[in-house]
Amino acid sequence: DGGITQSPKYLFRKEGQNVTLSCEQNLNHDAMYWYRQDPGQGLRLIYYSQIVNDFQKGDIAEGYSVSREKKESFPLTVTSAQKNPTAFYLCASNIGLGNQPQHFGDGTRLSIL
Amino acid sequence: GQQVMQIPQYQHVQEGEDFTTYCNSSTTLSNIQWYKQRPGGHPVFLIQLVKSGEVKKQKRLTFQFGEAKKNSSLHITATQTTDVGTYFCAGHEGAQKLVFGQGTRLTINP
Repeated sequence: DGGITQSPKYLFRKEGQNVTLSCEQNLNHDAMYWYRQDPGQGLRLIYYSQIVNDFQKGDIAEGYSVSREKKESFPLTVTSAQKNPTAFYLCASNIGLGNQPQHFGDGTRLSIL
Repeated sequence: GQQVMQIPQYQHVQEGEDFTTYCNSSTTLSNIQWYKQRPGGHPVFLIQLVKSGEVKKQKRLTFQFGEAKKNSSLHITATQTTDVGTYFCAGHEGAQKLVFGQGTRLTINP
């Protein structure tokens, strides 16, 4: 079955540590997105990529980094510069043409130790 | 930048009652999308509205897009326990960036 796989489901970060969240899709979608969800808030865009080897900052990119070396993969690194990383992180993708619906992975819940 | 406001933030109803959530944008939208997120789950696309004044129905769900394309609503008739979750509207800023409302969390008393 086609879909988006995020791993791990739960992740714990120590102070000063970088962690990487995985996002893989087999939908053959060109565009991929990372969102952060906090309780009582909507989804906020961290980074997005419309094509391999290209990505743009979203609304809350500070303290995060991404890469897009392969069409299927869009990993997100939460760096030590992100002072409040505890949140639910969602990866999404779409075909990238116009305003197409986004398909979401199951998410990764990141907590601070 | 574009802002999308959604009200109410929470709504608790008795099973069988109707439910409505409203979405307002600070700018004119090219389209609006609605998503549902079940507790512990991820957002799932429900529908997209594109035309001014458009109304679409999915069984007990009715979606409307305002004439000025700056507001939208989702109405559920005779709620069921399977309707529990958070409903998000989202509008596009440019061709790719989707701006989400804060969501309306619906809980239902069976």
